[in-house]
Amino acid sequence: DAGVIQSPRHEVTEMGQEVTLRCKPISGHNSLFWYRQTMMRGLELLIYFNNNVPIDDSGMPEDRFSAKMPNASFSTLKIQPSEPRDSAVYFCASSLSRYSYEQYFGPGTRLTVT
Amino acid sequence: GEDVEQSLFLSVREGDSSVINCTYTDSSSTYLYWYKQEPGAGLQLLTYIFSNMDMKQDQRLTVLLNKKDKHLSLRIADTQTGDSAIYFCAERYSGYSTLTFGKGTMLLVSP
Repeated sequence: DAGVIQSPRHEVTEMGQEVTLRCKPISGHNSLFWYRQTMMRGLELLIYFNNNVPIDDSGMPEDRFSAKMPNASFSTLKIQPSEPRDSAVYFCASSLSRYSYEQYFGPGTRLTVT
Repeated sequence: GEDVEQSLFLSVREGDSSVINCTYTDSSSTYLYWYKQEPGAGLQLLTYIFSNMDMKQDQRLTVLLNKKDKHLSLRIADTQTGDSAIYFCAERYSGYSTLTFGKGTMLLVSP
């Protein structure tokens, strides 16, 4: 298996622009997690899905952030409009089920908002 | 509240043992994890331990859990330069899906 796939790997955009990050979980995994990593705050869970349904979005910072999972093999995290403080590395992870021991992480998308 | 604390940096020489420490605050944590992040990569699960265990060994890795002090440690024997990375401690509670991560310990191994 190719593992969790994220695209793009790097994104540089200007403040106010819309940004869409994409994730393909490991085939057969039913849970998907979006994390954000910054130096100041470390690794934070933004939202997670189980069987394509959002279960907990309490970590989503504000209304500018939205996430969807239209099917079992694809999820997006959208920021509109983007701001410089959104600059971070965004990770997607998947697991077999919501209570599985291991979450498998993608390589991340490094977002820079200027 | 939930909080996982780690020291930020550790430097060792190749061949020495490394010990990375972590403290957590929630005694209801059921699973405790160690993840490794190499530069430019995602997190990779190294090992995990159930809260009813005191120790777990896996090749060069030894995990020790002191539930009374809410202290978790990861010992890497015969540390190699390839072990240089950031190591994250994380906890999860029974019945919950989410992990709470520490901020990570950067391990630097010098030749």
